[in-house]
Amino acid sequence: ETGVTQSPTHLIKTRGQQVTLRCSSQSGHNTVSWYQQALGQGPQFIFQYYREEENGRGNFPPRFSGLQFPNYSSELNVNALELDDSALYLCASSSNPRAQETQYFGPGTRLLVL
Amino acid sequence: GENVEQHPSTLSVQEGDSAVIKCTYSDSASNYFPWYKQELGKRPQLIIDIRSNVGEKKDQRIAVTLNKTAKHFSLHITETQPEDSAVYFCAASGLGDQFYFGTGTSLTVIP
Repeated sequence: ETGVTQSPTHLIKTRGQQVTLRCSSQSGHNTVSWYQQALGQGPQFIFQYYREEENGRGNFPPRFSGLQFPNYSSELNVNALELDDSALYLCASSSNPRAQETQYFGPGTRLLVL
Repeated sequence: GENVEQHPSTLSVQEGDSAVIKCTYSDSASNYFPWYKQELGKRPQLIIDIRSNVGEKKDQRIAVTLNKTAKHFSLHITETQPEDSAVYFCAASGLGDQFYFGTGTSLTVIP
């Protein structure tokens, strides 16, 4: 079992609200990537943080934002929630963003937007 | 950007038979190809990976092959068991360490 943890496990919000999801990376890892996984689909890359700076971004609007802290834990913030934001949000940590190191996933946060 | 296609979307095999899942990618700069297994309600778990400097890698009943010229890679599971039933995802990664995932293959092993 990996050391990546996420909170909360489940969340229900209404359209227009804001949400913050949290991720603690595995010990020794300085890189956190966030993914959105819609039902029946593969994970879609949102963005990556390396040493507290954004290190790449997928095709998601600016209302998806993030943060990485000095201990390398990370937050994903989503503003103005839409129904289509309902999904499993996964974070993955790795030890080096440039060497294609293995990414280890957390258990995910399941978000439902009503 | 990278585009990863995965086939088939569903696969049923008899216990003991082999299963093969295929993926293609579009970006020739991609050089790392992991495979993840995701059981219902659980996190994706890495089962095997391959880098572009090798053509094949094996770990017990699981093997992955890579053809860089054709830009495709495949997962092979031999002697399948009921506990192999899950959704399998391939992924490709290049310079930026951003993983691009396929759409998944739901594997069912029939006892």
